[in-house]
Amino acid sequence: QSGLTQPASVSGSPGQSITISCTGTSNDVGHYSFVSWYQQVEGNAPKVVIYEVSHRPSGVSDRFSGSKSGNTASLTISGLQAEDEAYYYCMSYTSSTIPKALGTGTKVIVL
Amino acid sequence: EVQLLESGGGLVHPGGSLRLSCGVSGFTFSSYAMSWFRQAPGQGLEWVSTVSATATSPYYAASVRGRFTSSRDNSMNRLYLQLNSLRVEDTAMYYCARDCRTGSSRYPIDYWGQGTLVTVSP
Repeated sequence: QSGLTQPASVSGSPGQSITISCTGTSNDVGHYSFVSWYQQVEGNAPKVVIYEVSHRPSGVSDRFSGSKSGNTASLTISGLQAEDEAYYYCMSYTSSTIPKALGTGTKVIVL
Repeated sequence: EVQLLESGGGLVHPGGSLRLSCGVSGFTFSSYAMSWFRQAPGQGLEWVSTVSATATSPYYAASVRGRFTSSRDNSMNRLYLQLNSLRVEDTAMYYCARDCRTGSSRYPIDYWGQGTLVTVSP
């Protein structure tokens, strides 16, 4: 499977900012501007929080922001809140044999 | 409003079969590639299969290739996943999901269903 690499966990205190990285290759993150980020709260389906690298869907807090540099995309959560504790996944358009490039997932822990 | 609703999950013995279904509404189903993902208890998301808008040559993860079959009925706005030769390790919540753009099967997902639980147990 074409996997994008994410850290297993990232933690921060309420009010702090954290950044989650998503590292791919020139076949996916490095070449295309279609990178999405998903939040998955325990027991629920994933929900898009960022699409096309840096765009926020309607209804998503502006504390969530996205960016990309080279083969690495990043999700930043500013003003961390208890409700942000969840798993986060990235996904990118890919030209690889497998049609979905999915991140390994990151658990965000609010201390 | 885009909606995806999975059904067909349940408890099955190893070696058994199930057919999952995903009914959709709120968009032109026949224009979008659709995918199945799964999530085993306590584990991360795993891509399972993708079907193009025209249902030609579905893609499969190595872990399910030869056992699972994806199909779609564009006239009924339904996506299917036939699960055969089920194993204990296939136990998971199965989600159907829509690509965010038309014209390719390789875009990220923008909408997810709520999932249907498949439990494979002796």
